[in-house]
Amino acid sequence: GQQVQQSPTSLVLQEGENAELQCNFSTSLNSMQWFYQRPGGSLISVFYNPSGTKQSGRLTSTTVIKERRSSLHISSSQITDSGTYLCAMELANTGKLTFGDGTVLTVKP
Amino acid sequence: GALVYQYPRRTICKSGTSMRMECQAVGFQATSVAWYRQSPQKTFELIALSTVNSAIKYEQNFTQEKFPISHPNLSFSSMTVLNAYLEDRGLYLCGAYRDGNTLYFGEGSRLIVV
Repeated sequence: GQQVQQSPTSLVLQEGENAELQCNFSTSLNSMQWFYQRPGGSLISVFYNPSGTKQSGRLTSTTVIKERRSSLHISSSQITDSGTYLCAMELANTGKLTFGDGTVLTVKP
Repeated sequence: GALVYQYPRRTICKSGTSMRMECQAVGFQATSVAWYRQSPQKTFELIALSTVNSAIKYEQNFTQEKFPISHPNLSFSSMTVLNAYLEDRGLYLCGAYRDGNTLYFGEGSRLIVV
């Protein structure tokens, strides 16, 4: 089965609403990252968060290693937040990221 | 801040020809560079992980003969797709590791094969 499960597959919000994106891992992991993929395809690193909680502006990521899950919370969503959010995990010392299928976020005015 | 330049952004090549893409890390030393391909179905595959002064490690289904990679210094890496065919289509992304942890990606090089 898939090692990285992301949910939801897609999410439509009204501007100002909050978003909660989830990522579950089927195996133990060394680290994980959240990425934002622009419509043109380029990937932007949002968080490197191997464990605990990190916040940057309206974005908060929480990773609980022993529960093999990570979440990305977007508060007060804006239209410019629209795009695909991907989580990726790295197995111990492999240097290889395994990506989830992504969550397509659409924020409407 | 960290920045990774990747070029060309897009290439249209005839079936059987080759495409070379380059990746430049600016503002940090990229001790490792990972090359990924995102298929038209949006799934990601790791092609190879390249570490300076170490052998390049290719993933299953990807070979040096098909995807030769050069990583001569801490700021530059290139990869070529030789004899490209339809199944090689996709978005090729280079990711440069900063401090061995966070992976910063370039803009991607989209390969279209006709």
